[in-house]
Amino acid sequence: DSGVTQTPKHLITATGQRVTLRCSPRSGDLSVYWYQQSLDQGLQFLIQYYNGEERAKGNILERFSAQQFPDLHSELNLSSLELGDSALYFCASHSPGQRNYGYTFGSGTRLTVV
Amino acid sequence: ELKVEQNPLFLSMQEGKNYTIYCNYSTTSDRLYWYRQDPGKSLESLFVLLSNGAVKQEGRLMASLDTKARLSTLHITAAVHDLSATYFCAVDMTLDKIIFGKGTRLHILP
Repeated sequence: DSGVTQTPKHLITATGQRVTLRCSPRSGDLSVYWYQQSLDQGLQFLIQYYNGEERAKGNILERFSAQQFPDLHSELNLSSLELGDSALYFCASHSPGQRNYGYTFGSGTRLTVV
Repeated sequence: ELKVEQNPLFLSMQEGKNYTIYCNYSTTSDRLYWYRQDPGKSLESLFVLLSNGAVKQEGRLMASLDTKARLSTLHITAAVHDLSATYFCAVDMTLDKIIFGKGTRLHILP
């Protein structure tokens, strides 16, 4: 157990629907990062939050949004889902003082859009 | 924009052989990470390389970093089947994000 908790582990939904993925960072970590992993695109950085504030944006579609709550857990919302959104979604966490120890990843949410 | 290139992307090798995976990146950074991923699983941190000339070893894996050449290597010595996985390098630009290479899928034949 890495200490980063992601739920649900698997999600199957239809095109056009909306889903929410949840991530609880490791205890003490203030930053949460979201990544999308698909076969053809590899690991793509989506967005980062630090202590409730958005810090950086990557290749995140307008149909996707995220937030980090006061208790530091984060949610990634995916709407108007398309077949191409099927992927593994990972979150990672770390704290600035722990940067030398790398980033800790959760076990991921596998999203299948049918 | 930072680009991180790994090669090879696929590698099939015999047990007992040595090989090296290369990771090139396009802009200055002094932090580089190597991760391992088994199929359908999460990413496991292998090495954190923090400065030019850093070398770290764990079992049959050894990683090094040359920040002047913007190159990191992951060397596998006397490969065993259990090392079959996908290996990613990732470059840390700032506190904002890390950028991953496409990964090297390593298949070690018994």
